[in-house]
Amino acid sequence: DTEVTQTPKHLVMGMTNKKSLKCEQHMGHRAMYWYKQKAKKPPELMFVYSYEKLSINESVPSRFSPECPNSSLLNLHLHALQPEDSALYLCASSHTQLNTEAFFGQGTRLTVV
Amino acid sequence: KQEVTQIPAALSVPEGENLVLNCSFTDSAIYNLQWFRQDPGKGLTSLLLIQSSQREQTSGRLNASLDKSSGRSTLYIAASQPGDSATYLCAVPTGANSKLTFGKGITLSVRP
Repeated sequence: DTEVTQTPKHLVMGMTNKKSLKCEQHMGHRAMYWYKQKAKKPPELMFVYSYEKLSINESVPSRFSPECPNSSLLNLHLHALQPEDSALYLCASSHTQLNTEAFFGQGTRLTVV
Repeated sequence: KQEVTQIPAALSVPEGENLVLNCSFTDSAIYNLQWFRQDPGKGLTSLLLIQSSQREQTSGRLNASLDKSSGRSTLYIAASQPGDSATYLCAVPTGANSKLTFGKGITLSVRP
């Protein structure tokens, strides 16, 4: 099973709302990632968790708050987003953070109104 | 700083054609290179991972090659089908944290 599952698939939220994106994998991977992708651009790394600890924060605004409750789950909490935050949010996982194959989920299409 | 380039940005071919997608990178000190496929509005599907010690990797109609010394990789698609229409991205892990550096992708359209 090489599946990374993301929920929800689509999300529309107002600028004052609080919502969460969820990601799950059962491949025993110890590195998990959040990426943001705008139309016709490659994915941009936001956060990396390695062994459930935050390893990389690519200077992401604090209105995005990641959480890794356990080795299989990754959340992204959203609060007070702006319309320019509308994008496809992708979760990925890999065996470890270093130089191993990355597997991506199908993404959450987020629209901020 | 690692830079990954994919040219052309878009490609249209008739069904049945064999085709090659190119990926070039500026820093040859890579551990591996990964090819992905992305359908519109969907996530990335890993197609092939080729290690730095390998020259080729094959999966079905796909064959990826890697030439580290020249900073190039190619993805060969045999007997293309309309279902192959998608954006193809290559990526290499970069730096001490192995952060993936992506090319901008090649959008392939296979005409029936």
